[in-house]
Amino acid sequence: SQTIHQWPATLVQPVGSPLSLECTVEGTSNPNLYWYRQAAGRGLQLLFYSVGIGQISSEVPQNLSASRPQDRQFILSSKKLLLSDSGFYLCAWSAGPGELFFGEGSRLTVL
Amino acid sequence: DAKTTQPTSMDCAEGRAANLPCNHSTISGNEYVYWYRQIHSQGPQYIIHGLKNNETNEMASLIITEDRKSSTLILPHATLRDTAVYYCIVPLGAGGTSYGKLTFGQGTILTVHP
Repeated sequence: SQTIHQWPATLVQPVGSPLSLECTVEGTSNPNLYWYRQAAGRGLQLLFYSVGIGQISSEVPQNLSASRPQDRQFILSSKKLLLSDSGFYLCAWSAGPGELFFGEGSRLTVL
Repeated sequence: DAKTTQPTSMDCAEGRAANLPCNHSTISGNEYVYWYRQIHSQGPQYIIHGLKNNETNEMASLIITEDRKSSTLILPHATLRDTAVYYCIVPLGAGGTSYGKLTFGQGTILTVHP
């Protein structure tokens, strides 16, 4: 069966520091992968999606970037974090047009 | 995604059925209705989806009206662990650039009480 993992689960970072969140999927090949963010008290916002290795689409302009170096690996990065980058980051893969399976989430606090 | 409207919050007694409504009056003929839920501090969890026929799985039932302008998610025997935010989503038609790109609104906060 398919599983999705992301890490770290929690991190506290100072403003201006770099960020790297990693997500891996097992049990499927060539999945569509997504990064969502949920700011405190708000809904989920799609940040990036990828349909294949090296193929990244950004949904909103922001301080973050994404990369897909391997088929089942999706990385979210920043060179310099802002306070507004705080939130709950979720990686997901899709089994169908509207069927997403999410990871456990990474809670980022920027101080 | 087609616009959906859900009540902000609902309560349900443990053991009773929870019926969560959703209006999607602008839905197109080939667009599905998807339901997710998000338990506090966890990622959203896919529950069920349907096009025009009623659907049932181990988690819930989905009733879609004949005109497809609204639907109801039914949790037949709610438990305390069903307390969560429930999202009704109508993604753009299958395939194309909208694949998997979902818009999560505010959803319905369901509170199941003893």
